This record gives sequence, structure tokens and C-alpha cells, in this order.
Amino acid sequence: QKEVEQNSGPLSVPEGAIASLNCTYSDRVSQSFFWYRQYSGKSPELIMSIYSNGDKEDGRFTAQLNKASQYVSLLIRDSQPSDSATYLCAPQRVDSSYKLIFGSGTRLLVRP
Amino acid sequence: SAVISQKPSRDICQRGTSLTIQCQVDSQVTMMFWYRQQPGQSLTLIATANQGSEATYESGFVIDKFPISRPNLTFSTLTVSNMSPEDSSIYLCSHRTGRTGELFFGEGSRLTVL
Repeated sequence: QKEVEQNSGPLSVPEGAIASLNCTYSDRVSQSFFWYRQYSGKSPELIMSIYSNGDKEDGRFTAQLNKASQYVSLLIRDSQPSDSATYLCAPQRVDSSYKLIFGSGTRLLVRP
Repeated sequence: SAVISQKPSRDICQRGTSLTIQCQVDSQVTMMFWYRQQPGQSLTLIATANQGSEATYESGFVIDKFPISRPNLTFSTLTVSNMSPEDSSIYLCSHRTGRTGELFFGEGSRLTVL
């Protein structure tokens, strides 16, 4: 089993809809979770971090974390064509390395 | 977050040659890392660049192939040695201000090996 699993997509949603991106992880000791957005040909850009169970909102983005289920998600409200990108989930280990383990990413396409 | 500058942004290299990528951060940072992203793949950590000492390499990466320097808290280099077409990737420098917390990336260096 992979440490971090994401549906590769593409996830296609119409403009204005809610895009829901999901991520499961296998490492029970992960405490910090990050979502990155990567446009084609560009480097990853941090968009959200979440550390506690529940929801965290930032503008059109909401991150949701359920540590018991080892599940983290990202919701994008009022999706725009400019949101079309690959979204990477990255739990952080809390062993001595504190490494981020990146998922393979979900490609999101927002149709005008 | 500190701004990271990488160069070259892209290069085309011949098989068997070596290339050094430079990473400059505009303020002192505790942790610097080098990642690789092969075509269509996610990010893989190559090593942690330690200031004033040898880098810490991840499984599958060795110093002879990817020598790393970090002479101070704002600068690091990654050399890709004796390149083969399989080394064609984007190489990304990143930093984190503390031992934990958010990770920020430079713009990346896209290498194509012929």
C-alpha cells in the first residue's frame, strides 16, 4: 500500500461548482498535512495546511482532516478555470525526518 | 516565506556530462531540501542539504551521483553527475524555516539529457 493515495483524475467539474479532492494516508503518526497546487510546467505552490481534525477554511478553499480515518480532503468552492491544475497531498511524518511524503496528485479540470 | 531562486531554469545536456544547479534563498533558512520530479510523476526527496556538513540522502540516492553542497544558510548546490537520459527531470530546491512546518519550493530546474 502506498503511503499517500490520491485519485489521479482528471476530475472534471463545471465552472462555479465545488471540486472535492481526496487523499488517504497510511502513516498513523502523521500530524501535519499540506495541499499543494501545481500548474503544468511550474513548481508546487502551497495552498493549505491543516494540523487538527475538522475543517479549515481559507477563501474558496476548505481543508478537511479526519485522523481516525486517515483521510484529508480539499474542497474548492466556486471553481474557476484558473483552478485547473494538479493538486498534491503531502502528509508530514513526525519521526526524526519530518519529511513530507507527496501523493501522486489529482488533476483537476474546470470547464468554462 | 523566503524567496528561492534556482538556476539554470532549464538545460539540455549530453549523456555522461555533469550539471550543477544552484539554489539561493533571500534569507537564512534552517532546512533546505532537493527534490526530483520525473515526467508525469510526483515529487521524490533526494536529500536534505545540511549546512556545513554532508547531505543526508534518501534511499536510492547516493552522494557520488548527486553531490550536494550547502556552505551557508542561504545557498545550496546539487550536481547531477554522469547524466543519462533517465536523469531527465525537474529538480526542485525547497526550504522550511523550522524543523517542521510548511515547505516552499523554488521554480525548479528542468533538465533534459540527450
